[in-house]
Amino acid sequence: AQTVTQSQPEMSVQEAETVTLSCTYDTSESDYYLFWYKQPPSRQMILVIRQEAYKQQNATENRFSVNFQKAAKSFSLKISDSQLGDAAMYFCAYRTTGPVTSQGAQKLVFGQGTRLTINP
Amino acid sequence: SAVISQKPSRDICQRGTSLTIQCQVDSQVTMMFWYRQQPGQSLTLIATANQGSEATYESGFVIDKFPISRPNLTFSTLTVSNMSPEDSSIYLCSVERSGGPGETQYFGPGTRLLVL
Repeated sequence: AQTVTQSQPEMSVQEAETVTLSCTYDTSESDYYLFWYKQPPSRQMILVIRQEAYKQQNATENRFSVNFQKAAKSFSLKISDSQLGDAAMYFCAYRTTGPVTSQGAQKLVFGQGTRLTINP
Repeated sequence: SAVISQKPSRDICQRGTSLTIQCQVDSQVTMMFWYRQQPGQSLTLIATANQGSEATYESGFVIDKFPISRPNLTFSTLTVSNMSPEDSSIYLCSVERSGGPGETQYFGPGTRLLVL
């Protein structure tokens, strides 16, 4: 079974600076999807960015970018120009590309999360 | 994306009782899921809600404890039965429009449950 590990329970950064959140995963599959979700205190899980494993190019969404290292099974999230609204729990998630009919084939496997604090 | 609402947003319940949580989506979706997030923990999938048939449960979750209904493509309910304090968690509904392998899951705002 796939596992996702976020080794940083908490991180903090000064406003306007850059921070990188780490994520590693374990899988025997060659094709899969990776996601970063943000969960602010309001509890709403919000998709930040996604990466397809077959794409070598790192995904980017405005101030958010990833460093995807497939061989190392690493998927870190970089937040540039940090803003107060970025404060939240960040979850890394893995998704298999297994057949739709397989039990749990479409489920997301989440890491433990990293709590990000932005210091003004 | 999809606009997802959940009711109730929070509740405090007595042990031994049951609570039904509703999930409503603003448009038809293929896949609906229910997750549990225990205090300070990550999300764990409870089950996939299947329209017109029984839900598909993950290991460790059973229908008697977490019965799920999905009468149509925009609505699902999760019942937490015979509750105990260990059931105190946030319960989240998520959806996928088409259920394809690269599909993104969108989440509802969650229901915070406290069992006394």
